[in-house]
Amino acid sequence: DAGVIQSPRHEVTEMGQEVTLRCKPISGHNSLFWYRQTMMRGLELLIYFNNNVPIDDSGMPEDRFSAKMPNASFSTLKIQPSEPRDSAVYFCASSRLAGLYEQYFGPGTRLTVT
Amino acid sequence: AQTVTQSQPEMSVQEAETVTLSCTYDTSESDYYLFWYKQPPSRQMILVIRQEAYKQQNATENRFSVNFQKAAKSFSLKISDSQLGDAAMYFCAYRSVDSNTGKLIFGQGTTLQVKP
Repeated sequence: DAGVIQSPRHEVTEMGQEVTLRCKPISGHNSLFWYRQTMMRGLELLIYFNNNVPIDDSGMPEDRFSAKMPNASFSTLKIQPSEPRDSAVYFCASSRLAGLYEQYFGPGTRLTVT
Repeated sequence: AQTVTQSQPEMSVQEAETVTLSCTYDTSESDYYLFWYKQPPSRQMILVIRQEAYKQQNATENRFSVNFQKAAKSFSLKISDSQLGDAAMYFCAYRSVDSNTGKLIFGQGTTLQVKP
């Protein structure tokens, strides 16, 4: 199995630009999670989906952040407009069923907003 | 709300020795899952070990074992025969068994240094 795939691995952008992060979960997994890791806040959940439906988006910091999962094999996290404080590592994770199985993480996207 | 606390920002161990990383958590739930994840410099999050709260027996995976004390809400990780490749940041995490609450709640992490 290829594992969770994220792209890009690194993204550098200027403040105000739109950023789109992509994730392909492990085949057969029906839960997908977006986490953000920063020095100040550690690892925190932004949003997660069960069967392509958003279940909990309470961690999404503000309206500048949006996430979609149009099908079982693809999800995006978009930031528009981006700000320097959005600089972080963004992880995507997937599992077979939320709450019952281990979550497997992708390699992360390191985002730098200048 | 559940919280996870790792009180040791950094630990070090001599190669081949044993080290224990501490983790405490707070919850009102009676059943849940606990995990230890390893994050090496590559930043890939790797699952080390999991524990179901309803199981009294401590989980073990090769050189890694846990000491799960449910009443004390403590979940420490013991690494035996430490190897250079064990150097990483280790995160303790909690998850509810509720299928509608899938998120992992992480501690702040402990950076482990392994000295040759």
